[in-house]
Amino acid sequence: NAGVMQNPRHLVRRRGQEARLRCSPMKGHSHVYWYRQLPEEGLKFMVYLQKENIIDESGMPKERFSAEFPKEGPSILRIQQVVRGDSAAYFCASSPVSSITPRYFGPGTRLTVT
Amino acid sequence: ELKVEQNPLFLSMQEGKNYTIYCNYSTTSDRLYWYRQDPGKSLESLFVLLSNGAVKQEGRLMASLDTKARLSTLHITAAVHDLSATYFCAVEDAGDDKIIFGKGTRLHILP
Repeated sequence: NAGVMQNPRHLVRRRGQEARLRCSPMKGHSHVYWYRQLPEEGLKFMVYLQKENIIDESGMPKERFSAEFPKEGPSILRIQQVVRGDSAAYFCASSPVSSITPRYFGPGTRLTVT
Repeated sequence: ELKVEQNPLFLSMQEGKNYTIYCNYSTTSDRLYWYRQDPGKSLESLFVLLSNGAVKQEGRLMASLDTKARLSTLHITAAVHDLSATYFCAVEDAGDDKIIFGKGTRLHILP
């Protein structure tokens, strides 16, 4: 059973470009969570999605950031018009229906904005 | 709003010594997670603590949960260099299906 997969693992963007980060949850998992980790910091919750639904986006910046988890395909975190402050590691986690099971984290995408 | 505080944030210790990392949280919760992160890597789940008084052990690490005190501890026994990493506690927000992380404890074990 493959784990949570994220791609790309490293992404470099110039200021003003768009960044698109992908997350494929573990097989059988229908819940996806996105977290951001700034250098030397803990993980900050961004958004929680189920298939075709955003359940909680209270941690998402109001502008430039969006997330989706379509019926088919991976979850995507999109950052438009990136700025240097968006440079961080973005982790995706997945869970099955039961939230007792710990979230399984993907390897992360390290975004660098130049 | 649930807040999670870890201390210390940085710990340098000699091999063979014992030490404890503390995790306090601000509101009611009965699910607490401990993770390990190596530099540049993702998070590895260490323990899930689901009830008051829960204690779990794996090798030289032991985690416990006191929901009344809103406190979890991660105890390291006879530390070895391989345990050098950042350790995060994370607490599930009761009634809100997301987990909130502490800032992490960077553990550096000197040979």
